[in-house]
Amino acid sequence: RKEVEQDPGPFNVPEGATVAFNCTYSNSASQSFFWYRQDCRKEPKLLMSVYSSGNEDGRFTAQLNRASQYISLLIRDSKLSDSATYLCVVPSWGKLQFGAGTQVVVTP
Amino acid sequence: GAVVSQHPSRVICKSGTSVKIECRSLDFQATTMFWYRQFPKKSLMLMATSNEGSKATYEQGVEKDKFLINHASLTLSTLTVTSAHPEDSSFYICSARTSAGELFFGEGSRLTVL
Repeated sequence: RKEVEQDPGPFNVPEGATVAFNCTYSNSASQSFFWYRQDCRKEPKLLMSVYSSGNEDGRFTAQLNRASQYISLLIRDSKLSDSATYLCVVPSWGKLQFGAGTQVVVTP
Repeated sequence: GAVVSQHPSRVICKSGTSVKIECRSLDFQATTMFWYRQFPKKSLMLMATSNEGSKATYEQGVEKDKFLINHASLTLSTLTVTSAHPEDSSFYICSARTSAGELFFGEGSRLTVL
């Protein structure tokens, strides 16, 4: 089983709609979690950190479910500029474990 | 926020040549930098951890003689792909960790080996 798993998508989302997707992790001892956004052929950029049950920043909400070992990212009122790949990152066993990313495509 | 600069952003080279990629932390000192490789539609794969003033720690399966890492100062780490072959073509990304533990990524370098 991979350390971090994500649905690769793509999630095709009409502009203005809400989209949510999950990331599962295998190390139950992980304490912090990160969502990064990566545009095509660009470097990942930190979107949100999650240290407790969840975090909210504007249209973005991350929630942590420790019992089921997953974190979710919800994007409300999707904008065209939200189209990107969202990487889930979990520090595990002293290393950063990256998911393969979930692609989101927001359409007009 | 902190900025990490990576250069070159794109390089094309002939098989058998060596290519050096630089990673610089522009406004902070980074005792630790990381080098990743990313294949299309795949996750970032950690290649090695670069510590200033000491030898890099390579991940299992990464050839240290092929991917030479030098972290000569607190703001610069270099990755040299030696005797590059087409299978080395990939997107290479560095990241640098601040003293507060935050991680910032370079812009990435796309290597194409002909």
